[in-house]
Amino acid sequence: EIVLTQSPGTLSLSPGERATLSCRASQSVSSSYLAWYQQKPGQAPRLLIYGASSRATGIPDRFSGSGSGTDFTLTISRLEPEDFAVYYCQQYGSSGTFGQGTKVEIK
Amino acid sequence: QVQLQESGPGLVKPSETLSLTCTVSGGSISSYYWSWIRQPPGKGLEWIGYIYYSGSTNYNPSLKSRVTISVDTSKNQFSLKLSSVTAADTAVYYCAREVVTMVRGVTYYYGMDVWGQGTTVTVSS
Repeated sequence: EIVLTQSPGTLSLSPGERATLSCRASQSVSSSYLAWYQQKPGQAPRLLIYGASSRATGIPDRFSGSGSGTDFTLTISRLEPEDFAVYYCQQYGSSGTFGQGTKVEIK
Repeated sequence: QVQLQESGPGLVKPSETLSLTCTVSGGSISSYYWSWIRQPPGKGLEWIGYIYYSGSTNYNPSLKSRVTISVDTSKNQFSLKLSSVTAADTAVYYCAREVVTMVRGVTYYYGMDVWGQGTTVTVSS
């Protein structure tokens, strides 16, 4: 079973700053199978990125994904107030695991 | 657009079976994978399993012995049953649409693009 480890656990940043979130897999993951989600309190998760780097419908271009193999990154180029949330990576496969999440909080 | 709605009891007794249904509206259940995901209070997301509209399933190995996911295409619904529940199964349960295609033997994954609002299930006597 593939384990996804996200870091850092919490990222404290100010609006306008750049956020870089990491997702590391315990074994190689096909880039096609890696997705990122955003979750705000009391809401269902929202798909941001699929295929490691493709933005889902309606997602602003300040969100970008990259990576391959075991290391993947979600970057938010300039944080907007609505971007402060928890972010999860997820891999599709025999057991579609999620990472434990990274909370992006206002500094 | 496609919408998902979870329904079922909000309170289940220990050792009993949790049963939830997800109703798909605004689109067909055909040609997609349909997933269940849960989130214990204050914790992260846990994938439970998925079912293809044709009936094939895949479950989280850690829950496989207790989980059954089924589909009713005539009602545009799919369901989750989790047996022998304990307090550790208390969570918000989400249903979601999972988009997967296969072209010339290559699988492409487009993520869980539509989610229900979630339903809280508490396991308590």
